[in-house]
Amino acid sequence: EAGVTQFPSHSVIEKGQTVTLRCDPISGHDNLYWYRRVMGKEIKFLLHFVKESKQDESGMPNNRFLAERTGGTYSTLKVQPAELEDSGVYFCASSRGGSYNSPLHFGNGTRLTVT
Amino acid sequence: DAKTTQPNSMESNEEEPVHLPCNHSTISGTDYIHWYRQLPSQGPEYVIHGLTSNVNNRMASLAIAEDRKSSTLILHRATLRDAAVYYCILRDHSNAGNMLTFGGGTRLMVKP
Repeated sequence: EAGVTQFPSHSVIEKGQTVTLRCDPISGHDNLYWYRRVMGKEIKFLLHFVKESKQDESGMPNNRFLAERTGGTYSTLKVQPAELEDSGVYFCASSRGGSYNSPLHFGNGTRLTVT
Repeated sequence: DAKTTQPNSMESNEEEPVHLPCNHSTISGTDYIHWYRQLPSQGPEYVIHGLTSNVNNRMASLAIAEDRKSSTLILHRATLRDAAVYYCILRDHSNAGNMLTFGGGTRLMVKP
């Protein structure tokens, strides 16, 4: 089975610009998660979709971040306008179920650099 | 989520067993113990999970203390490809869909 894919793998943008990250989960996985690691910090949860609905968005840092999952398939994470502190690696993960028994499958991340 | 404590780093020789410890003294009865690892330039990867009994799979073994306040991830024969950051995470099974809370993990270095 194909894994979780993320696009682009790298993105370099200037402060104030907009960037959209995309995540394609494993086919059939209803649960989709976004995480990020900013420089020197631990990997932090951003939000969780079940199909097209946001189940938990408690980790979203502010309203410059917008996540969508139209049709319950792929997801996008838009940062608008980007700030320097948004630099980091953004990971997407998916799982078949949402319980403790459903391991998360992670993509290799998008490295975002805001200059 | 209850907090876990792991050593920052460990070293191992190739082909030898590795025991990665994790303390979780405030674990609750509904917490499962999960282990993930992150290889260089990759996303985290699921390794194993358990509740009370020891668990084995093709990647590793998980030994859980009788009081559940600590656990140990065991790699039976370390290879160079096992060099990664290993995360011990508690996941509450009473709260379906609960996200994973990553700590600092243990950076495992494997020497040839």
